[in-house]
Amino acid sequence: EAQVTQNPRYLITVTGKKLTVTCSQNMNHEYMSWYRQDPGLGLRQIYYSMNVEVTDKGDVPEGYKVSRKEKRNFPLILESPSPNQTSLYFCASSHRAPGYTDTQYFGPGTRLTVL
Amino acid sequence: GENVEQHPSTLSVQEGDSAVIKCTYSDSASNYFPWYKQELGKGPQLIIDIRSNVGEKKDQRIAVTLNKTAKHFSLHITETQPEDSAVYFCAASWLTNAGKSTFGDGTTLTVKP
Repeated sequence: EAQVTQNPRYLITVTGKKLTVTCSQNMNHEYMSWYRQDPGLGLRQIYYSMNVEVTDKGDVPEGYKVSRKEKRNFPLILESPSPNQTSLYFCASSHRAPGYTDTQYFGPGTRLTVL
Repeated sequence: GENVEQHPSTLSVQEGDSAVIKCTYSDSASNYFPWYKQELGKGPQLIIDIRSNVGEKKDQRIAVTLNKTAKHFSLHITETQPEDSAVYFCAASWLTNAGKSTFGDGTTLTVKP
């Protein structure tokens, strides 16, 4: 089954404790992206990757890191989480980038709470 | 950068009625406009999309219209059913910065039986 998977689905952590949210897709997609969803603010893009070893900032990259060492995986790293990073996070992938009119497939989401 | 405004933020209709959600965008270079449906506890899922060289697209009860001059696009759902109740997001992308995607703030649609 074609899918985007995220782990963990739920996470409660404390301020300053480094964490990684994993994202994996089995569709051989070149493009992957991370979004956060907050009430009333829609989906805001954090980082995206056009291909392996190619990453770039979205609209809200502060406090986040990403890496794309393999095509299928695109982990989101919070080196020192803060309470304002409490949010619902989505990973997405597509064959090519959205600007090439390609559809994104979203994962099920990771709900993160930073105390 | 691109800015996408979505209205209304909430919409309640009676089963069988039509629902219309509208988005406006700021960057005239935008060329791709998808609509996503997000059900409770799930990730957004594409329901319909339109490219800038097309004015209208229809898929059964769902249609999208694009007015490039006015820089707005709309989602039309006819004969609404309770299972249409969800949060709907519009988005815009553009070729000159192909990796970026800007979403509207979402519309919570409730269809009353």
